[in-house]
Parts: sequence; C-alpha cells; structure tokens
Amino acid sequence: AQSVAQPEDQVNVAEGNPLTVKCTYSVSGNPYLFWYVQYPNRGLQFLLKYITGDNLVKGSYGFEAEFNKSQTSFHLKKPSALVSDSALYFCAVRMNSGYSTLTFGKGTMLLVSP
Amino acid sequence: DADVTQTPRNRITKTGKRIMLECSQTKGHDRMYWYRQDPGLGLRLIYYSFDVKDINKGEISDGYSVSRQAQAKFSLSLESAIPNQTALYFCATRDRAQETQYFGPGTRLLVL
Repeated sequence: AQSVAQPEDQVNVAEGNPLTVKCTYSVSGNPYLFWYVQYPNRGLQFLLKYITGDNLVKGSYGFEAEFNKSQTSFHLKKPSALVSDSALYFCAVRMNSGYSTLTFGKGTMLLVSP
Repeated sequence: DADVTQTPRNRITKTGKRIMLECSQTKGHDRMYWYRQDPGLGLRLIYYSFDVKDINKGEISDGYSVSRQAQAKFSLSLESAIPNQTALYFCATRDRAQETQYFGPGTRLLVL
C-alpha cells in the first residue's frame, strides 16, 4: 500500500518570505513523487516531479522540491512567495511500476498575505 | 488544461437519478482516470483505464460505473445518485511514456 501525508491543512506566509509545504510518503520500492496545484474553480496543474536522479527538483513558477529518501519526504519550497501562489497544493506518490496509480495527499492550503 | 474537457461543468440532480459525466481528451493519451475531490480528503481514485479494453476499479468504485467508448472518451456514470456522491469530479489522462497526469477542469455535482 502507498500513502501520502500532508501534515498541515494550511500554511500562512507573508509575500516575499520563503515558503515550505510539507509532504511525507510511504511506498514499496522506489517512489515517483509529484506536486500539483489547484487554483480556485480550476483543475489540478502539474508543478514538478521526482522520478530519479538529482534530489532537488525544479518546477514551474519558481517552485522546487527536495527528495529525501531517509526521511521519506518531498517538501515543496519557494524562496520568495507571491500573493498569486495562494492555492491548494497536493502531493502525490506512486510506485515506479507502469501499472501503478497515484495516491494523493489531502492537500495543503497556502495563503500568502501582501 | 484545454486538452482535457469535461461535461457538464456543473450538475444538480436528485437522489435516485442516473447521471453521466463525460470526459474527452485530445492529447492522444491511452490512460484515463476518474477522481472525486472532497474537502479535507484530497483526490480519491474511482476508476481508471489503460486502454479501451482495460478498465479497473479504483479506491472508491462502489456506486459508480464507467465506459471507455474510444481512446479519447471516458465516461463516468452514477447509476442511482445519492447525496454523499456530492463532490467535485475530475478526469485525468496520462501518456504511457510520461509520468505526468493532465487534469480536466472538473464537474461539480450536487445530489439533492
């Protein structure tokens, strides 16, 4: 079985400050890890993924995430938050098998104040 | 993503009614998925299809059925809708060679 935990329902940060949205996972074998973002009244948009290689992954809109195998974590980060980053963020995991499916976390609401 | 469309975008129905949610894609992907989103529960997988002849149940398939009419079309049916099926429903696609799923805009369903 595979699972994802996003321990924070909401993260508040001031514009210009760094932000971190936490994610830990559990999966058999090597994981494929993803972050998606959902803006109000929109579908999910892909931000970034870790498949293999460099543990630091860079994605869209200046976001990055670091894969930490020993801590089974894949935290999303951005050096300087924008008000427009306010949205719902989902972490997701699946096994590195072609037939496996994604398991999503419950989501973390990021609120960036001006 | 405009390449994945869902109809209708909003639907209100009554308990016991049969309804169908439709999904179409122009991305040429062979894999398609249906999810539901509930506040505080994230996205949960209802059904998925790896090609036209391959349909699989997901985590929460009870009360739902699907049809893969063509590579580009994947429909979700609620045979007899109940209020706890009120949710936001998403269709998604994935290419076999890629790892990224692409989501439609969602269908907001209210069952009275």
